Amino acid sequence: QKEVEQNSGPLSVPEGAIASLNCTYSDRGSQSFFWYRQYSGKSPELIMFIYSNGDKEDGRFTAQLNKASQYVSLLIRDSQPSDSATYLCAVPIQGAQKLVFGQGTRLTINP
Amino acid sequence: EAQVTQNPRYLITVTGKKLTVTCSQNMNHEYMSWYRQDPGLGLRQIYYSMNVEVTDKGDVPEGYKVSRKEKRNFPLILESPSPNQTSLYFCASSLGWGSPLHFGNGTRLTVT
Repeated sequence: QKEVEQNSGPLSVPEGAIASLNCTYSDRGSQSFFWYRQYSGKSPELIMFIYSNGDKEDGRFTAQLNKASQYVSLLIRDSQPSDSATYLCAVPIQGAQKLVFGQGTRLTINP
Repeated sequence: EAQVTQNPRYLITVTGKKLTVTCSQNMNHEYMSWYRQDPGLGLRQIYYSMNVEVTDKGDVPEGYKVSRKEKRNFPLILESPSPNQTSLYFCASSLGWGSPLHFGNGTRLTVT
């Protein structure tokens, strides 16, 4: 089982709708979770992070954690064409001192 | 401005010619790391450093070297580049290994 898994997509969502992105992780001891956005040819940019104690909302973005099922999700409300990018989930792996990235989900927002 | 600076942005070289990709951060971060990104394989960690003079291998260290003589700098060295090292490389830093990573702009390397 991969340490961090994401559906590679592409995920296509109409403008103004809610985009929902999911990520599963294998390390039950993980305490923090990060979401990065990456435009084609650019570097990953941190957009959200949450800790194991709860969900977080920031503007149009909400990150949710389901510890029992070991997955995190990112919701993007009122999707805009500028949200079209690849979204990477990243989880620090205890004991390995590394941040492991999922392969990313490519999101396209259709005007 | 807080940033991670990589150079060069683009590099084309030939097999076997030693090269160095520089990385510098101005945020006084202790943790630094190198990743390569390839289509279908995602971001894979090459090496990381917990602090000055402390480095360790990531998932794909073969063919690479690093050093951390100063806190701000973490160069990536390819002693004898091969075509399978053609990739997009990112340097990143953070306060500590479990903290959010800040990425440089990337170096696109082509080895012919």
